[in-house]
Amino acid sequence: GAVVSQHPSRVICKSGTSVKIECRSLDFQATTMFWYRQFPKQSLMLMATSNEGSKATYEQGVEKDKFLINHASLTLSTLTVTSAHPEDSSFYICSASGRGNEQYFGPGTRLTVT
Amino acid sequence: DQQVKQNSPSLSVQEGRISILNCDYTNSMFDYFLWYKKYPAEGPTFLISISSIKDKNEDGRFTVFLNKSAKHLSLHIVPSQPGDSAVYFCAARARNTGNQFYFGTGTSLTVIP
Repeated sequence: GAVVSQHPSRVICKSGTSVKIECRSLDFQATTMFWYRQFPKQSLMLMATSNEGSKATYEQGVEKDKFLINHASLTLSTLTVTSAHPEDSSFYICSASGRGNEQYFGPGTRLTVT
Repeated sequence: DQQVKQNSPSLSVQEGRISILNCDYTNSMFDYFLWYKKYPAEGPTFLISISSIKDKNEDGRFTVFLNKSAKHLSLHIVPSQPGDSAVYFCAARARNTGNQFYFGTGTSLTVIP
């Protein structure tokens, strides 16, 4: 199947700093990329949908100024958590889809804000 | 508003037996359904899918059944193996909403050797 990578896999940052997470589709062109967040023992919650070259569409309740998404190319999307706080600590997962129906998920990034 | 629900947070099955994971949805516009398997601290991996024009799809030990009138789908794993122990998420996509999927809350399957 298609491969999606995320970097970094784990990051610890201090409160008030910003963190960038990269999502890459390695062997296909991703017309759409999705960013999810998962709290312990809960489902994946869609944060935003991004299409290459256009602004991301954020789900209700997700602060677009706090979670900056850039889909600069057909193989790369970035999520920047700005001015991170401990409540932003979570598992962030991206997924990518090409022209088919499936979404291919990255391995996730564990963010811990101290 | 949880449009996709998995009412059983956990399930334990003996090795070799059948595992049945259930999923219910509320949106009649959903036309494509998937099951994902997830290990801790990893991203979900695609398992099997079914289109709304079908009521069954089989792939090896995995079979997904769709009952549109009941808005219910299930994943059958037979025979269950210890390596199947993971969290299973069902997901659904609505027509004309691009590739946005809605996920259930997951069912943690434990296969006992």
